[in-house]
Amino acid sequence: ETGVTQSPTHLIKTRGQQVTLRCSSQSGHNTVSWYQQALGQGPQFIFQYYREEENGRGNFPPRFSGLQFPNYSSELNVNALELDDSALYLCASSQGAYSGNTIYFGEGSWLTVV
Amino acid sequence: AQSVTQPDIHITVSEGASLELRCNYSYGATPYLFWYVQSPGQGLQLLLKYFSGDTLVQGIKGFEAEFKRSQSSFNLRKPSVHWSDAAEYFCAVAANTGNQFYFGTGTSLTVIP
Repeated sequence: ETGVTQSPTHLIKTRGQQVTLRCSSQSGHNTVSWYQQALGQGPQFIFQYYREEENGRGNFPPRFSGLQFPNYSSELNVNALELDDSALYLCASSQGAYSGNTIYFGEGSWLTVV
Repeated sequence: AQSVTQPDIHITVSEGASLELRCNYSYGATPYLFWYVQSPGQGLQLLLKYFSGDTLVQGIKGFEAEFKRSQSSFNLRKPSVHWSDAAEYFCAVAANTGNQFYFGTGTSLTVIP
């Protein structure tokens, strides 16, 4: 148990729809990073939020957006869903944005786009 | 840009045998290096990490890894594999001034009795 919880665990959406995934960070952690893991691939960095501000973004289009709340929980929003968005979405929390800080992953949200 | 290569997509070993999973990275300076394990339906669990200092790093569950700068490698080893070690293993690199991890494509480990 890492203390990082994600919801929902599984969901199915139709192409063109919008989805919101949620993450509660471990107590005391002020940084949340989101990763996309396609089937058979390693996780890919989407973006990071540090103290409610976006703090770095990977090679993902603007239809991937996020929020971090004052309690440091976070949301990942994906608009205009495409079939290739089907993946496991992982949230990771840490105390500080620095890559040297230990990050703790949640169990992920499985998104299927049909 | 940083990148990670895990040359072995799938490895099968017998329980009790030794294990080595390969990882090669690309990065201009000394990176931060990590090994994570992912069991089916689970998130990623950190096995060990290397920042600096001793190039042989000990981790949890009896795993160790050796950083070899000359070979740009960070191979994971375990002297005696247990059936519960069957999982997907990911090597990752991060810049020591950055905030994101770059993962390899993973190595799937099967353990046979």
